[in-house]
Amino acid sequence: RKEVEQDPGPFNVPEGATVAFNCTYSNSASQSFFWYRQDCRKEPKLLMSVYSSGNEDGRFTAQLNRASQYISLLIRDSKLSDSATYLCVVNRESGGGADGLTFGKGTHLIIQP
Amino acid sequence: GAVVSQHPSRVICKSGTSVKIECRSLDFQATTMFWYRQFPKKSLMLMATSNEGSKATYEQGVEKDKFLINHASLTLSTLTVTSAHPEDSSFYICSGTSGGGGETQYFGPGTRLLVL
Repeated sequence: RKEVEQDPGPFNVPEGATVAFNCTYSNSASQSFFWYRQDCRKEPKLLMSVYSSGNEDGRFTAQLNRASQYISLLIRDSKLSDSATYLCVVNRESGGGADGLTFGKGTHLIIQP
Repeated sequence: GAVVSQHPSRVICKSGTSVKIECRSLDFQATTMFWYRQFPKKSLMLMATSNEGSKATYEQGVEKDKFLINHASLTLSTLTVTSAHPEDSSFYICSGTSGGGGETQYFGPGTRLLVL
């Protein structure tokens, strides 16, 4: 089983629609979870951290289900500028010092006018 | 958010030469820096973790004698690809974090290496 697994897409979505991405991770000891976005040929940029209680940042909502080892991202009222690759990211260890991150391959989102 | 720079942004070199990539944290002290690489249409893969003043910890399958990492100060880490070969061509990205666990990693803009 891959460490972090995502549907690569692409997801073709009309502007204004709501889109949801899912991700599963294999390391049950992971403590930190993130969604990053990566534009073509650029570095990843942090979109939001993901907390067990779920969290929202404007049009973006992230959820974490530790029991199922499942993370989701919901984008409401999608904009053309949301077109990017969305990376599900999990820290590698359970704690005790800074840890490297494990990245999913990403889900490619295309917002169509 | 904090800013991390990388230099150069892209480099083309001949097979057999060595290439040094610099990663700098511009407005924070990076206790730990990480080096990743990304091949086309693949996910970012952690290569090594370096803490200031100590030896880097390399991931399985990453040759420490080929990818030399130096983290001499809290704001600078370097990655040297020694005797580069075409299969080393990749997008190399560094990140830094100021804390000890769970803190956000701030990524540099990456360096595209092409080995001819």
